Amino acid sequence: DGGITQSPKYLFRKEGQNVTLSCEQNLNHDAMYWYRQDPGQGLRLIYYSQIVNDFQKGDIAEGYSVSREKKESFPLTVTSAQKNPTAFYLCASSTGDVNEQYFGPGTRLTVT
Amino acid sequence: GQNIDQPTEMTATEGAIVQINCTYQTSGFNGLFWYQQHAGEAPTFLSYNVLDGLEEKGRFSSFLSRSKGYSYLLLKELQMKDSASYLCAVMDSNYQLIWGAGTKLIIKP
Repeated sequence: DGGITQSPKYLFRKEGQNVTLSCEQNLNHDAMYWYRQDPGQGLRLIYYSQIVNDFQKGDIAEGYSVSREKKESFPLTVTSAQKNPTAFYLCASSTGDVNEQYFGPGTRLTVT
Repeated sequence: GQNIDQPTEMTATEGAIVQINCTYQTSGFNGLFWYQQHAGEAPTFLSYNVLDGLEEKGRFSSFLSRSKGYSYLLLKELQMKDSASYLCAVMDSNYQLIWGAGTKLIIKP
């Protein structure tokens, strides 16, 4: 079955630690995205990648980093520089610009 | 700035019809998407409108008026499983999705 997987579903970290969230897709999609979702707010774009070995900052990239070494994988690192990292993180992929995005199940990160 | 507005919460009765509105102001327009998101889960695609008019897909329909910066999602024959948040998103001139905060729909028996 084709789809997007994110792991883990729940993640707990202490303040000051970096943490990497995984995102894998087997849909053969070129484009991948990372969003953050907070209560009462729309999804906000952190980073996106339209092709392997290339990625662009979204609206809220500060304190985050990504890599796109393989088409299937787009991991997100939440660094200690991110001031308010506790949130629900969603990864998505699409075949191109105007096509719908397919979402993974999300990772809920709690930093204390 | 870019802005998407939709009601925070709506309540409807099982078997009834509900209309969820979305108004937008964005830099450019390359289409409007509606997604459904159950609590704690991933958003799933419902519809895409790029031309004015009504798109019907089973119990769900979506309408767009580009001149008014307005869309609505119409849900008919409501079922309990339709209880979810409905997200409106507009693709701007840079092909980036601008998301509304979502409308939480509560279905009562």
